[in-house]
Amino acid sequence: GAVVSQHPSWVICKSGTSVKIECRSLDFQATTMFWYRQFPKQSLMLMATSNEGSKATYEQGVEKDKFLINHASLTLSTLTVTSAHPEDSSFYICSASPATGRNQPQHFGDGTRLSIL
Amino acid sequence: KQEVTQIPAALSVPEGENLVLNCSFTDSAIYNLQWFRQDPGKGLTSLLLIQSSQREQTSGRLNASLDKSSGRSTLYIAASQPGDSATYLCAVIGGGNKLTFGTGTQLKVEL
Repeated sequence: GAVVSQHPSWVICKSGTSVKIECRSLDFQATTMFWYRQFPKQSLMLMATSNEGSKATYEQGVEKDKFLINHASLTLSTLTVTSAHPEDSSFYICSASPATGRNQPQHFGDGTRLSIL
Repeated sequence: KQEVTQIPAALSVPEGENLVLNCSFTDSAIYNLQWFRQDPGKGLTSLLLIQSSQREQTSGRLNASLDKSSGRSTLYIAASQPGDSATYLCAVIGGGNKLTFGTGTQLKVEL
């Protein structure tokens, strides 16, 4: 089945640090990937849609200058949390679908737990 | 704006019981609905995808139904096992292949 790999799985860093998270589709190409954030005991909230070769589309309330997204190839999207602060601590998850079209299930990475001290 | 609600928020059952998890959504203009399982501190595992034209999907002990007009879906788990303990999330898929997730049901199956 379709596999999505996310790296790193856990990050602990000081306030003010920028952190990059990678999302890779291992056995398929994905023109679109999605980034979600999940706070403790809450559901997933879509942050942005990552489009290969073009700018990402951000959901309302998500700062595009804070969360930089790059989708440089059909198998890799990166999310960079710039100048991270404790309130950015969360569980970040990416997803991708093997093909365009709305009948394809989304496949998720294992997530990245970000802790800002 | 689409809102997805899951009831109950938490559920504890003895092993072997059949159970039903509920999901409701406010905007019936969806393409598909997907059920996921999430183990603590982990990502999501896709369980079932129901297309908007379908009424149900089955996989092993799992059966998911969809009533698009009333904005409801149910996930039926037969003969529950301790290994089924996890948080179950439903998500509706709208334009742009975007998922809107429900609030989740935390299931615990006890020996």
